[in-house]
Amino acid sequence: NAGVTQTPKFQVLKTGQSMTLQCAQDMNHEYMSWYRQDPGMGLRLIHYSVGAGITDQGEVPNGYNVSRSTTEDFPLRLLSAAPSQTSVYFCASTDRGQGAGYTFGSGTRLTVV
Amino acid sequence: AQTVTQSQPEMSVQEAETVTLSCTYDTSESDYYLFWYKQPPSRQMILVIRQEAYKQQNATENRFSVNFQKAAKSFSLKISDSQLGDAAMYFCAYRSAWGDGGTSYGKLTFGQGTILTVHP
Repeated sequence: NAGVTQTPKFQVLKTGQSMTLQCAQDMNHEYMSWYRQDPGMGLRLIHYSVGAGITDQGEVPNGYNVSRSTTEDFPLRLLSAAPSQTSVYFCASTDRGQGAGYTFGSGTRLTVV
Repeated sequence: AQTVTQSQPEMSVQEAETVTLSCTYDTSESDYYLFWYKQPPSRQMILVIRQEAYKQQNATENRFSVNFQKAAKSFSLKISDSQLGDAAMYFCAYRSAWGDGGTSYGKLTFGQGTILTVHP
């Protein structure tokens, strides 16, 4: 099992550029989420999905789009990158098992200049 | 909405000693789950231990144990016999047991994190 695979691991963007962070899981998990990690603020939820075709906003959704066409994939799109989006991004998945912890990807460090 | 607070930005411990990391949370729910995650310099998020709110017994995983005080909404992590490999950022996290229509069920709410340094 590969678990949760995130690509790329590092990325530098110029302000105004767009890009997609890829996330794939092979555990048949229903729930997938994107978090961003900033110093002193822990991890904050951007968007999440409870299954293919169903997505919803988290705590900090502005500037990001998501879609869930398959159970396995949950890409995060930055529409027009801004320096405030410089962060470490994590994709995570979990199943319906009561109290199951999330499985996290290895993270993407994004710098917007 | 739930909130999770870790009031210790940094902690340090001598190798082989015991350290306790604090976490408090706020919720109106009676059924939920609490987690401690470890993030070493590699950035990987590693589940350390979990606690189910309806269980009174404190969870234990080898050298890691929790002190869960439901009425006080407190969830501290005790690391015994600290090792150099325990040095990391530690996050406390909350997860609802039941969501409204099942959509918030999978959300994790994190605290700000505590950086643990282990001195040889």
